Amino acid sequence: SQKIEQNSEALNIQEGKTATLTCNYTNYSPAYLQWYRQDPGRGPVFLLLIRENEKEKRKERLKVTFDTTLKQSLFHITASQPADSATYLCALGTGGFKTIFGAGTRLFVKA
Amino acid sequence: GAVVSQHPSWVICKSGTSVKIECRSLDFQATTMFWYRQFPKQSLMLMATSNEGSKATYEQGVEKDKFLINHASLTLSTLTVTSAHPEDSSFYICSARNTGTSGSIDEQFFGPGTRLTVL
Repeated sequence: SQKIEQNSEALNIQEGKTATLTCNYTNYSPAYLQWYRQDPGRGPVFLLLIRENEKEKRKERLKVTFDTTLKQSLFHITASQPADSATYLCALGTGGFKTIFGAGTRLFVKA
Repeated sequence: GAVVSQHPSWVICKSGTSVKIECRSLDFQATTMFWYRQFPKQSLMLMATSNEGSKATYEQGVEKDKFLINHASLTLSTLTVTSAHPEDSSFYICSARNTGTSGSIDEQFFGPGTRLTVL
């Protein structure tokens, strides 16, 4: 069956460190993969998109990698700040207009 | 950036009543909008794809007669939960694609969500 798996445990890190979140998928061949941030009681906010033919994408303190052989994406936040605390969602674009979401990983950055 | 609004942001209703949720793209036109449902600590589950001027496409397991979708204009889609029951209580989120801007064709803009509580 098709699955998208993100770290189910919350991730706690110290301010200034790099946070690394994992997204693994099975039985999908995504055309692209996206990362979103979601705060409690709010809708997701788009962060980054990486296409199947791209290995890495960066935006300010954010970096995403995409390994279609391992079927995995890693999402990094460098120099993390307490304001980065949120739930981060991985989403697969399967072609056409559909986007399939993972359950998300909660990140807590301690000052 | 593109903004999507939802109204209301929260609603409490009695079992058996119907509730309408509006989703608007404020500064762009969206031929396609999406409706999701999210239970606590779970992922967003796509309910249906709303297409302007035509019938919505529902995902497997979603009752189209219970969740009525209307996409009457390029900036407005509505979701009506008919004869709501407590198990329909959830966080409903819409999104829209800004297909008019090159380079962002795969980006979805999400509304802030609507919290529905059915008593």
